[in-house]
Amino acid sequence: DTGVSQNPRHKITKRGQNVTFRCDPISEHNRLYWYRQTLGQGPEFLTYFQNEAQLEKSRLLSDRFSAERPKGSFSTLEIQRTEQGDSAMYLCASSLAAIFWGYPFPEAFFGQGTRLTVV
Amino acid sequence: QQQVKQSPQSLIVQKGGIPIINCAYENTAFDYFPWYQQFPGKGPALLIAIRPDVSEKKEGRFTISFNKSAKQFSLHIMDSQPGDSATYFCAATSQSNFGNEKLTFGTGTRLTIIP
Repeated sequence: DTGVSQNPRHKITKRGQNVTFRCDPISEHNRLYWYRQTLGQGPEFLTYFQNEAQLEKSRLLSDRFSAERPKGSFSTLEIQRTEQGDSAMYLCASSLAAIFWGYPFPEAFFGQGTRLTVV
Repeated sequence: QQQVKQSPQSLIVQKGGIPIINCAYENTAFDYFPWYQQFPGKGPALLIAIRPDVSEKKEGRFTISFNKSAKQFSLHIMDSQPGDSATYFCAATSQSNFGNEKLTFGTGTRLTIIP
């Protein structure tokens, strides 16, 4: 399977615990995105990496959230001191930068997500 | 602040019918408008996308209509099948974000095609 892989698929944790999710993008993709999707809503942008550099973080990403992409390959998203409001599906997407502006537009490929439930 | 508004929230159509899902955006910097299909337990998958320099794009049974002046776009599914039952998201992004083509999604439409 050469798609975007996310682990674990499901995570149940007690409030206050730390959790870490992993995303393995498509191998040649240099861009990696994290999104959060709550029930009945569309995914919301959290953060973005170009290779190993984290270039943008959403205001949704509180200080309890940290993401890394060492060596520009896989990425991890850690949530410290989880709260019930963190319960959501966390989606990872990757894309390959366009050769030149405008065309072709870099398609984002999504993984199946990690569903987090904080009890 | 919701920058992409999507309607309806849910839609039930008989097999063979043409479901239509509508989206409206506010940010005039958006220059790429994809539609994603999501099945339960799966991540979103790109279905079809359009740039604002064309008013319509067809790929198989899926058609996007785009109205730049009204800042609206819609998805039409021709000859709908039960296998098309899924949640559909419109999205928008801009290539002027210095490489960050982050997607702004609508709230989704749960489509059910009944036999």
